[in-house]
Amino acid sequence: DAGITQSPRHKVTETGTPVTLRCHQTENHRYMYWYRQDPGHGLRLIHYSYGVKDTDKGEVSDGYSVSRSKTEDFLLTLESATSSQTSVYFCAISETGRTGPNEKLFFGSGTQLSVL
Amino acid sequence: ILNVEQSPQSLHVQEGDSTNFTCSFPSSNFYALHWYRWETAKSPEALFVMTLNGDEKKKGRISATLNTKEGYSYLYIKGSQPEDSATYLCALRSYNTDKLIFGTGTRLQVFP
Repeated sequence: DAGITQSPRHKVTETGTPVTLRCHQTENHRYMYWYRQDPGHGLRLIHYSYGVKDTDKGEVSDGYSVSRSKTEDFLLTLESATSSQTSVYFCAISETGRTGPNEKLFFGSGTQLSVL
Repeated sequence: ILNVEQSPQSLHVQEGDSTNFTCSFPSSNFYALHWYRWETAKSPEALFVMTLNGDEKKKGRISATLNTKEGYSYLYIKGSQPEDSATYLCALRSYNTDKLIFGTGTRLQVFP
């Protein structure tokens, strides 16, 4: 199994505070993704990265920023958390670290974020 | 934004029933169609990846077909078991992009 660790596993925060979620991989893979999961919406792509310092927006990037200063770490930041960002956040990496149509995703265990 | 649709939204079947659900997607710029299985309190896990029109994949009692010309894929489960209870997600990769866009999923519950 791919080595993906998300931290924290659970987080409760207040509206307006900054929050950073961390995704750490031990596979040295180039491609990393952040998704959020909400009832009725499935998984929606927030941002993804195709290398150190190389990132791009997904479907629901407003209110989120990301950084990738090292291959192994992909950080997701909510600059000023809102209640609509209460969700489960999943990090994923591609199966072999490359891109291509057959590249499956391996997911981390998720971070449950509650914004009160 | 790509629109990947799945139906039905949820499905309740008895143990032993066979079932199927649908994933619809825009056929232009098609590159690959993925199916994932997602059990409650776990992470999604890949089932199949299909790239060619007419592709059929099978894993045990689960199989999938692909029609890229009309933009749909079917997932079949033969003789459903309670352990098949999960949300089944399809995801589309379009040509010339690194993004995998997911549908909203079909939640399957199999009752003993």
